[in-house]
Parts: sequence; C-alpha cells; structure tokens
Amino acid sequence: QVQLQQSGAGLLKPSETLSLTCDVYGASFSDYYWSWLRQPAGKGLEWIGEVSHTGATTYNPSLNSRATISVDTSTNQFSLSIKSLTAADTAIYYCARNKGHSPADWGQGTLVTVSS
Amino acid sequence: DIQLTQSPSALSASVGDRVTITCRASRSITTYLNWYYQKPGKPPKLLIYAASSLQSGVPSRFSGSGSGTDFTLTISSLQPEDFATYYCQQSYDLLPITFGQGTRLEIK
Repeated sequence: QVQLQQSGAGLLKPSETLSLTCDVYGASFSDYYWSWLRQPAGKGLEWIGEVSHTGATTYNPSLNSRATISVDTSTNQFSLSIKSLTAADTAIYYCARNKGHSPADWGQGTLVTVSS
Repeated sequence: DIQLTQSPSALSASVGDRVTITCRASRSITTYLNWYYQKPGKPPKLLIYAASSLQSGVPSRFSGSGSGTDFTLTISSLQPEDFATYYCQQSYDLLPITFGQGTRLEIK
C-alpha cells in the first residue's frame, strides 16, 4: 500500500518561493508518473504538473513557468517549487501517484497561505 | 484547454436513492475520463478510471459510462458515506489535465 507524506512551509509572503516535498513509501518510483495539484479553500481542483521517474516533466501553462517539479529516486521523494507567489497561490497542495497520467493515490495535503 | 461541465452542481438525495451525475467535455476525450469523490478536509479518492473501470476497493454500487463528450457516474443505492463532492477529470489532453467544477451531493 503506497503512502505519500508531504512536508514544507505553510505560511509564505508575496514574491517568495513555495517548496514542498512528497516522500513516497511502499512503491517503486520507476513504474509511475507523480503529480502535484492544488485546491483553493472551498473551490475545485487544479492540476499543477507531473514528473516521471526519469525527471521528464509536464506543467500546466496557467502557472506561467513559475512551477518546477523534480524527483530524487535515491530518496524516494519528489518536490514542487513555485516562485513569485501571490495571494492567488493560497491553497491546499496535494502530491499524488498517478494511474497513467491521472492522480490515483494522494498525499494528505498541505495548506499554503500567501500573506504579507 | 478541454472544459468539463458537470451537472447538476448540487444535488439532494436520500439513502437508498439511485443518483446520476453527468460530465460533458468541450471536445471528444474518447474514454480518458475519471471520477473522484472528496469529503471535507480529505484528499480526493479515485472511483472510476477510463470512463467505466472501477478502481480497486471501490464498492460496486458505483459505475461509470460514456465516451466522446458525454459521461455519467451512477450510484445505484446511496449510502451515508457517499455524501460528498464528486469531480470528473480528463487526461486526454495533458496540457493541461482538467477537472469539472464539482457536484455536491447532500442528504435530503
């Protein structure tokens, strides 16, 4: 049974960079794609992007190249950074293991608040 | 982007009812359509993938159908734990993957 454990700072200021990490337990990195998504409070889901075990990435164009997803197979973790934060980036952020290219197994979520 | 429109946006039903939620895509996505449900304060859970395949561990009262642009999620007999928000999601076009706006299923 795969488990995904998220970590990272939850309160940031405008213009700062968000950094989140997802530790993966109970699954081989090489067989899957891995995603990040977010959900503003009371709103719907937004896909941020995905990474393969080789480090190949695909991003949502709506992030305007501010997002970077990376993978470290030696430590079984993958990471998200988003630069130039604004209040519009305030949301719960989720990591996930994909089924194909769709999130199937999710982390617990991390609330990220961007406020001065 | 492929737009997904769910209907209804909210629905009231009783335990034991049969419920259907629809998802319409702005262009054909063949069967690259998944369904999730989400309880407050929890991450989403995958119910149906590839339009009609039941994810492992999901009760058989959930079923999905459709192809092209029109899809449905059916719950054959509502249980108390089924009251939640449901989302459809497409992976036909990865730039970007998109979700419907959600359908909130409430107890009548």
